[in-house]
Formats: sequence, C-alpha cells, structure tokens
Amino acid sequence: AQSVTQLGSHVSVSEGALVLLRCNYSSSVPPYLFWYVQYPNQGLQLLLKYTTGATLVKGINGFEAEFKKSETSFHLTKPSAHMSDAAEYFCAAPWGGGNKLTFGTGTQLKVEL
Amino acid sequence: DTEVTQTPKHLVMGMTNKKSLKCEQHMGHRAMYWYKQKAKKPPELMFVYSYEKLSINESVPSRFSPECPNSSLLNLHLHALQPEDSALYLCASSQQAAGVVEQYFGPGTRLTVT
Repeated sequence: AQSVTQLGSHVSVSEGALVLLRCNYSSSVPPYLFWYVQYPNQGLQLLLKYTTGATLVKGINGFEAEFKKSETSFHLTKPSAHMSDAAEYFCAAPWGGGNKLTFGTGTQLKVEL
Repeated sequence: DTEVTQTPKHLVMGMTNKKSLKCEQHMGHRAMYWYKQKAKKPPELMFVYSYEKLSINESVPSRFSPECPNSSLLNLHLHALQPEDSALYLCASSQQAAGVVEQYFGPGTRLTVT
C-alpha cells in the first residue's frame, strides 16, 4: 500500500497567493516525513523534514508544513507564492525499513501572474 | 557542504555501448543510492549501498551494474541498454545513523538510449 498520497497532481496559484500542497501518510509510516522540490531538469532538493518534536516545521524558501497525527496529514504551505516556486513537489516517508524512501506521485505547482 | 555531484550531465548512448555514470559526495555519508526517474513520475529506487556494500537491489536488470569504490564514490555501469531505459538517473546519499534518514540528491544524469 502507498505510504504517502499527494492529492492534486497539478496546482495553479496566482503570484502572491497562498500555496497549499496536500500530503497524507499511512498510519504505519514511521514518524519521519519530508518534502522535496524538483525544478525543471534538476535533482531533488530537501525543502523540510519532520522528525518528531515540534509539529510545525519551517523549511527553505519560506515553506512550512504541519504534522497532524489526527488527520495523518503533512501539508506544505507558503503564504505568498513567487514565480520561482514553480516546480514539482514530492512528499516522502521512510518505507520498508533500512534506507528506503517512498515518494508521493508529485504535485506540479504553476504560478501565474 | 550538502552537495552531491554527478557526471556526466547528459549522455546519449547506443544499445551496444558501454558507459558509466559517476556520483560523488564529501559529506561523510555512508549510504548512497541510485534512482531512476521517468518524466512526470517520482524517483524509483534502484540500488542502495551501505558502508560500501550493496544492501538493496530492487530487482534491477543486470544491464545496470553498480559499484562503490569507496565511501565517497558511486558508479553505475551501463551495458546493452534498451530505449525504455532512457530517463533521469539520480544519485543520493544519507548518513547511516538511527533517526536520520533524509537523502541528499545530485542534479542527475539525463540518459538517452538510441
């Protein structure tokens, strides 16, 4: 079974608007969750990580995510979108023990003027 | 320094060629990974090396042969590939420590098999 699920393969927002990218995880997932960003023709860059402790996690480029155990969610937000935020975003979690990561299917963020 | 480097950036090869992809990290990480990523899809794990030993092979065809010469280097040897092997190949590394599992990715090698 998929460990993380991303709702919405494409999200479009206006520049300056709130960005909300959704990620839900399986309850069997260990308490580590990640968001990665991939710009066109580049590798994945770690945006932020949750590894227990404070449930609101701040990352790079003004992004943050909140771990909500009751909702099994780890949604990514940014108060004000910028054109440079246009990219593919992946939610990820450990899976199968060892060093494996399972990725969500990804959300393509488009930022319009 | 959280950089993972990969060479070459682009590679075009015929189905009878032999080529190698290279990956390097100097973060002292003891786990290194190869992923394959097709367009508009998440990365798919191929191999994991832990302390320079192959620990995971995700049933990858033998035309892909990984090698870890030392703790900083990871190679992927390619031979007799098929056109469907065309993809972005990503290398990643992570610390081999309990509770620390985030992986750091390189920029990838864009492989085209003709």
